[in-house]
Amino acid sequence: QKEVEQNSGPLSVPEGAIASLNCTYSDRVSQSFFWYRQYSGKSPELIMSIYSNGDKEDGRFTAQLNKASQYVSLLIRDSQPSDSATYLCAVTDYGQNFVFGPGTRLSVLP
Amino acid sequence: SAVISQKPSRDICQRGTSLTIQCQVDSQVTMMFWYRQQPGQSLTLIATANQGSEATYESGFVIDKFPISRPNLTFSTLTVSNMSPEDSSIYLCSVGGSVQHRNEKLFFGSGTQLSVL
Repeated sequence: QKEVEQNSGPLSVPEGAIASLNCTYSDRVSQSFFWYRQYSGKSPELIMSIYSNGDKEDGRFTAQLNKASQYVSLLIRDSQPSDSATYLCAVTDYGQNFVFGPGTRLSVLP
Repeated sequence: SAVISQKPSRDICQRGTSLTIQCQVDSQVTMMFWYRQQPGQSLTLIATANQGSEATYESGFVIDKFPISRPNLTFSTLTVSNMSPEDSSIYLCSVGGSVQHRNEKLFFGSGTQLSVL
């Protein structure tokens, strides 16, 4: 059974710090990797996608992928209180089967 | 990304009744899914809505309880039948695989907050 694992948190960081969120997956054929942000009472919002090994940066967000280690991470630089949310890691094999992790709750303290 | 309209946004229902949730997308998509998210939990896939054929259900979910329709590439419905308080949850429509852009990213509707008394 395909699994995606994340630390449930909560992960607490001070405002302005770097938040590091980690995710591991079990299925080696996974090709695409996503990070979703979900505010309380809202639906998940796609914030990052990554498909090849290495880093991908978008504003304050950097996704990192290491397929050999089956590991994907999300770094949030200059964390803001508005970044406080649950972050869901998701993996898929060619867009047919999406598997979501349990989510990591991030709290950015002012 | 696709614009996904899901309704109702919330409802309070009596035990034993049924509720149909609608999901409308502003563009043709190949994949439509229905998820459930219970309080404090992650997403659980209920089924894949297949256009023109029966939905594909995940383990623990059956058609009699969660009938799904998908008459075309832009619309789907999920019915929660014979509801009990255990069905209280958020139900989410999600879409992926834009026919036009061959996009495999998954996007979510705003969700339906269901409370069963």
